[in-house]
Amino acid sequence: DVVMTQSPLSLPVTLGQSASISCRSSQSLVYSDGNTYLQWFQQRPGQSPRRLIYKVSNRDSGVPDRFSGSGSGTDFTLKISRVEAEDVGVYYCMQGTHWPWTFGQGTKVEIK
Amino acid sequence: EVQLVESGGGLVKPGGSLRLSCEASGFTFRNAWMSWVRQAPGKGLEWVGRIRSKTDGGTTEYTAPVKGRFTISRDDSKNTLYVQINSLKTEDTAVYYCTTELVDLFDYWGQGTLVTVSS
Repeated sequence: DVVMTQSPLSLPVTLGQSASISCRSSQSLVYSDGNTYLQWFQQRPGQSPRRLIYKVSNRDSGVPDRFSGSGSGTDFTLKISRVEAEDVGVYYCMQGTHWPWTFGQGTKVEIK
Repeated sequence: EVQLVESGGGLVKPGGSLRLSCEASGFTFRNAWMSWVRQAPGKGLEWVGRIRSKTDGGTTEYTAPVKGRFTISRDDSKNTLYVQINSLKTEDTAVYYCTTELVDLFDYWGQGTLVTVSS
């Protein structure tokens, strides 16, 4: 199985500052159709996961433009600019290129 | 508005069975590919399995730990997704979410239903 490794696992941030989460895959996530199926999800405390980003850098409808995704091959990053209190939660990357689809361990974002 | 409402969770003894349901609305269910994802208490997310639309064959895939014990199915006349879980193990204890593939993978999620396997 493809292993998705996130870092850091815990990320204390100051309100208004930026935060970055790294996600590395054990294999390239480029699919045979040329797409890279790397998604990012946010899970606020007590809530269901919510997709933020799909195919590396495509922001979902309603997601603030403070969230951005980048990367290629095996290295990916989620950046949160100007962190707000509502951004507290756990963030997961997930690959949908290789069976079985796999998630990272999660990165807990909290306010300092 | 897309809505997914899971039900059917509960407390079950090891070796028991359970069927979870996910009632969908707000999109054309019969055309949608659907998945189940689970989350053990205090842990991360694990993809369980997926079913394609009947138009695309209605076939299923599963992750290895559940293959042979979990069966995903759908009733397009009821806009409902199911997962039949047999031979339950304590490690199956989790919140089970259904999720859609309308625009790429896992774009909408339900609120989840908790399955607890304990004697």
